[in-house]
Amino acid sequence: DAMVIQNPRYQVTQFGKPVTLSCSQTLNHNVMYWYQQKSSQAPKLLFHYYDKDFNNEADTPDNFQSRRPNTSFCFLDIRSPGLGDAAMYLCATSPRQGSYNEQFFGPGTRLTVL
Amino acid sequence: TQLLEQSPQFLSIQEGENLTVYCNSSSVFSSLQWYRQEPGEGPVLLVTVVTGGEVKKLKRLTFQFGDARKDSSLHITAAQPGDTGLYLCAGDPTGNQFYFGTGTSLTVIP
Repeated sequence: DAMVIQNPRYQVTQFGKPVTLSCSQTLNHNVMYWYQQKSSQAPKLLFHYYDKDFNNEADTPDNFQSRRPNTSFCFLDIRSPGLGDAAMYLCATSPRQGSYNEQFFGPGTRLTVL
Repeated sequence: TQLLEQSPQFLSIQEGENLTVYCNSSSVFSSLQWYRQEPGEGPVLLVTVVTGGEVKKLKRLTFQFGDARKDSSLHITAAQPGDTGLYLCAGDPTGNQFYFGTGTSLTVIP
């Protein structure tokens, strides 16, 4: 089945130690998104790629970076995780940008910062 | 200030009761989507409403898009424990930036 896969499902890192979260998709969608979600809150968009075009949200901290080496894969790099970065990180894809397009979400990676 | 405000933020009801969740904005949307997110999983699309005044039904769930396309509601009839989750409205007012609502966390007690 076509899907969005996130690895690992649970990630533990230490304060200040760089960490990379991975997302892959078999849907061949052009758009990929990274969201941060804290407990019982709505997902907050960090950035998205439309094909290779990178779009950073204005309030996304510089500590967060992203790479999309090809259509299928997208990575979230947190350069120096702080305690406030502990959250669920969701990857999503969409065939196109625009109002009518469903976003397909992966199961998320829960990040713990010690 | 959030672009899409949902109310209530938290809702705990007994099995069999009815409930309504609201999603409001001061912006006009060409469409709005509703997602449900179960604990430990990503959100899953329930419905997309496109036309002002539109009503869509999905089994016990009824979705309505406001006439002015600035608001939407989700009504659940005879809630069941399986309806428990975080309900999110979402939309893209400009055509290139997607926003989620503030979310409504629903717990249905057996």
